[in-house]
Amino acid sequence: AQSVTQLGSHVSVSEGALVLLRCNYSSSVPPYLFWYVQYPNQGLQLLLKYTTGATLVKGINGFEAEFKKSETSFHLTKPSAHMSDAAEYFCAVSSDSGNTPLVFGKGTRLSVIA
Amino acid sequence: KAGVTQTPRYLIKTRGQQVTLSCSPISGHRSVSWYQQTPGQGLQFLFEYFSETQRNKGNFPGRFSGRQFSNSRSEMNVSTLELGDSALYLCASSLGGAVRETQYFGPGTRLLVL
Repeated sequence: AQSVTQLGSHVSVSEGALVLLRCNYSSSVPPYLFWYVQYPNQGLQLLLKYTTGATLVKGINGFEAEFKKSETSFHLTKPSAHMSDAAEYFCAVSSDSGNTPLVFGKGTRLSVIA
Repeated sequence: KAGVTQTPRYLIKTRGQQVTLSCSPISGHRSVSWYQQTPGQGLQFLFEYFSETQRNKGNFPGRFSGRQFSNSRSEMNVSTLELGDSALYLCASSLGGAVRETQYFGPGTRLLVL
């Protein structure tokens, strides 16, 4: 079975500081990895995804993530936080094996302090 | 192109009642997935429909059911509501339903069971 662990249910950063949201996954087959963002009273929006190919993935709003197979990680980063980045972030994993649906982590709430 | 729409946005029911939620996918999308989001359990997969057939099902009791129509619109039904069914129900659509595809989420239906 696949699983996702997001370290830190709440992360707080200053505006302009580096954003680092951690995600580790468990999968016995090559994974597909996703980061979604959820703003209050809204659904989820895809930030970026890794399926195959380049392990450094660039997404929307200046976010990027690197797939590290040896560390089973897919951490999300952004060089400089903006107030509008305050939201909840979800890491998710799936795979072709058995057409596995998305398995989400518990989420990390990002606060940005002015 | 219009996004995924869900109706109603908010719903209040009492224990023992049943409820039907509706989801209209993005035009051209044939796969619709449903998720339950709660503070305690996070995001959990309910089921996925493709071309009117249920292709995948999560670990939920039989009180949770769904269907998809020929125009790809989907409904989910919860019978004999319990307090624990209070949650945000999210619908997501994708083009062909392959797990590597991006899922586009609707804003959700917030269900409160009293």
